[in-house]
Amino acid sequence: TQLLEQSPQFLSIQEGENLTVYCNSSSVFSSLQWYRQEPGEGPVLLVTVVTGGEVKKLKRLTFQFGDARKDSSLHITAAQPGDTGLYLCAGYAGGTSYGKLTFGQGTILTVHP
Amino acid sequence: GAVVSQHPSWVICKSGTSVKIECRSLDFQATTMFWYRQFPKKSLMLMATSNEGSKATYEQGVEKDKFLINHASLTLSTLTVTSAHPEDSSFYICSAPELSGLAYEQYFGPGTRLTVT
Repeated sequence: TQLLEQSPQFLSIQEGENLTVYCNSSSVFSSLQWYRQEPGEGPVLLVTVVTGGEVKKLKRLTFQFGDARKDSSLHITAAQPGDTGLYLCAGYAGGTSYGKLTFGQGTILTVHP
Repeated sequence: GAVVSQHPSWVICKSGTSVKIECRSLDFQATTMFWYRQFPKKSLMLMATSNEGSKATYEQGVEKDKFLINHASLTLSTLTVTSAHPEDSSFYICSAPELSGLAYEQYFGPGTRLTVT
């Protein structure tokens, strides 16, 4: 079983602060995805990283995929209350042929005005 | 992008009754769909893989007789919670993958809130 360890599980910060969420595994993933989920809704895809060492930016969000494709991070610069939500990392294991995702435990982010 | 719908979005049922939740891929065919269960402020927990035309594959610890899955067509999978009990109350989400280049794109439904009284 391939596991994704996501940390921290809870993050409560003030508007304007920076934060980083980590997603680590001892297994290699062919790709990793980051999702954001609001209460009562399905997860919404933020980004997919495929290549080891890849860095992708989405406005104030920066996503990085480890060189060995075993870990990833999400960095938010100058967090805003609208960033509040549940952030999930999820990965496709190498060799998976039918799109089965492994999810991390999730990070609940609260940004206070 | 592709869209996955779920119906109903919420349902309240009495203990002992059965509830069916539908998951549809609206503009693409999905030979595989996934069913997840989510508790408040927790991550998604994979329950089973729904396979079109064949039996579902259940994750360890998930009762297959309790959570019946039928994938009768390339666009529809159903999850039936049989003899529901209050502990089955949860948020149920489905998803369907579509291969896009080198990676899968996973399309999630909006979820179904089940409350068993």
